[in-house]
Amino acid sequence: QKEVEQNSGPLSVPEGAIASLNCTYSDRGSQSFFWYRQYSGKSPELIMFIYSNGDKEDGRFTAQLNKASQYVSLLIRDSQPSDSATYLCAVNQAGTALIFGKGTTLSVSS
Amino acid sequence: SAVISQKPSRDICQRGTSLTIQCQVDSQVTMMFWYRQQPGQSLTLIATANQGSEATYESGFVIDKFPISRPNLTFSTLTVSNMSPEDSSIYLCSVEWRGDGELFFGEGSRLTVL
Repeated sequence: QKEVEQNSGPLSVPEGAIASLNCTYSDRGSQSFFWYRQYSGKSPELIMFIYSNGDKEDGRFTAQLNKASQYVSLLIRDSQPSDSATYLCAVNQAGTALIFGKGTTLSVSS
Repeated sequence: SAVISQKPSRDICQRGTSLTIQCQVDSQVTMMFWYRQQPGQSLTLIATANQGSEATYESGFVIDKFPISRPNLTFSTLTVSNMSPEDSSIYLCSVEWRGDGELFFGEGSRLTVL
């Protein structure tokens, strides 16, 4: 069974710090990796996606992928209180639905 | 991005009844999925809604309980049949619009079963 594992948290960081969110997956055939943010009572929204090993940066967000270790992470620099949400890691193979982890709750204190 | 409209946005239902959730997309999409998010949990895939054929269900979900229709490339329905309190969840319609794996989500339908 394909699984995506995340530490549920909560992860608490002070404003301005770096938040590091981690995710592991079981299916070696996974090709696409996504990070979604979900505010309470809202639908998930895409933060970043990554397909290739290495780092991908977009503003304050950096996604890191290591397929050999089956590991993907999300770094949030200069964390803001508005970043407080649940972050969902999701993976899939081409043409298939996303499999989601349970999510990590991030709390950024001002 | 695709605009996805779901209705109802929320409902309170009685045990043993059935409810149909509608999902309308403003453009034609090939891949459409239904997810469930139980309170405090992540998203669990119910099924892939296939246009013009029977939906593909994930382990633990069956057609008799969650019948799905997909008459065209912009519309789908999910019915939650013979509801019990355990069916109280948010049900999310999602589409893959650009063919790159990214899913866009509707606002969800929050069902409470008494």
